[in-house]
Amino acid sequence: GAVVSQHPSRVICKSGTSVKIECRSLDFQATTMFWYRQFPKQSLMLMATSNEGSKATYEQGVEKDKFLINHASLTLSTLTVTSAHPEDSSFYICSGSLYNEQFFGPGTRLTVL
Amino acid sequence: GNSVTQMEGPVTLSEEAFLTINCTYTATGYPSLFWYVQYPGEGLQLLLKATKADDKGSNKGFEATYRKETTSFHLEKGSVQVSDSAVYFCALSQRNAGGTSYGKLTFGQGTILTVHP
Repeated sequence: GAVVSQHPSRVICKSGTSVKIECRSLDFQATTMFWYRQFPKQSLMLMATSNEGSKATYEQGVEKDKFLINHASLTLSTLTVTSAHPEDSSFYICSGSLYNEQFFGPGTRLTVL
Repeated sequence: GNSVTQMEGPVTLSEEAFLTINCTYTATGYPSLFWYVQYPGEGLQLLLKATKADDKGSNKGFEATYRKETTSFHLEKGSVQVSDSAVYFCALSQRNAGGTSYGKLTFGQGTILTVHP
């Protein structure tokens, strides 16, 4: 099946710093990528839909200036958490869309101290 | 809006027991329904899906039938194994305006399954 990778798998940062998370589709081209956030023992919450070469579409309540998404190529989308705070600590998951199916990355655990 | 409700876990079973994880949904139109599985330390994987009423999705011994009349998509397996221990997510999506691709997924809250030898 199609493989999606994320980097880094874990990151710890200080409050106020910015963190970039990469999502790559390794063996397919993903015109559309999705970014999710997963809190402990809770479901995945869609943050934004990222389309290659265009601006991301953010879900209601998600701050686009805080969670910057760039989808510069068909195999790479990045999520940058700007001026991170402890409440941004979470598990971030991306997925790439191929033939009407979403393929998920393994996730990135962000801890903001 | 769309929503998915799963039975709360965690669910703990002995090996070879029968498994049911309930899932009901609320959606306009005719959504597609999915079950995803997340093994420890791994990303979500599609387990099975159904795209229209009365369809049965099946994979690895798991089954779920799209019941429009009860708006349900319950996951079942006749005999679970220790290796089935994971988190299971029910989800739905609806086709975009062009009808050519699935839109964004709406997930249930997930059910943790632990199978003991």
